[in-house]
Amino acid sequence: AQSVTQLDSQVPVFEEAPVELRCNYSSSVSVYLFWYVQYPNQGLQLLLKYLSGSTLVKGINGFEAEFNKSQTSFHLRKPSVHISDTAEYFCAVTPPGSARQLTFGSGTQLTVLP
Amino acid sequence: GAVVSQHPSWVICKSGTSVKIECRSLDFQATTMFWYRQFPKQSLMLMATSNEGSKATYEQGVEKDKFLINHASLTLSTLTVTSAHPEDSSFYICSARGQEDIQYFGAGTRLSVL
Repeated sequence: AQSVTQLDSQVPVFEEAPVELRCNYSSSVSVYLFWYVQYPNQGLQLLLKYLSGSTLVKGINGFEAEFNKSQTSFHLRKPSVHISDTAEYFCAVTPPGSARQLTFGSGTQLTVLP
Repeated sequence: GAVVSQHPSWVICKSGTSVKIECRSLDFQATTMFWYRQFPKQSLMLMATSNEGSKATYEQGVEKDKFLINHASLTLSTLTVTSAHPEDSSFYICSARGQEDIQYFGAGTRLSVL
């Protein structure tokens, strides 16, 4: 079984400042890792994914994340945030293979302040 | 590519009636779709895994007779909330599993039972 921990439930940050949203996971097998963003009253949009290869992955909207196997982490970063980045962010994992469900973290509400 | 359409986006119904929610993969085929429920300010809770041409697999604690799932084609899964009650009011989100085990999400359906 897998578990995902997002330690920060809320992260307030000023516009144009850098931000890091933390994600740690636990799994006895290798996993794929994902970050999704959810805007109010909407579904989830895939920000980026790590399947294999380079541990630094770049996603949409200027976000990037680094997979650290030894620390079992997959932190999300953006060097300069915008007001429009205000949303809920979910980290998720799944073992490779067919019909595997995602295990989600509890989410981090990012609020960008003017 | 990889667009998932969910309909309706918002539905209000009377207690005791049934509501059907549709989830369609528009530009890819999905043998597996997932149905989630999300309470305010919380993460997604997996309700069931929907497999094309076979019975859905429900998570523990989810009443399969209340939440009927049909996955009759490779692009359509439906969730019917039967005899809805106010406690069924929630945000329901579907996802479709695409290539590389990536799940693509619909925009969600907000159900309000009066």
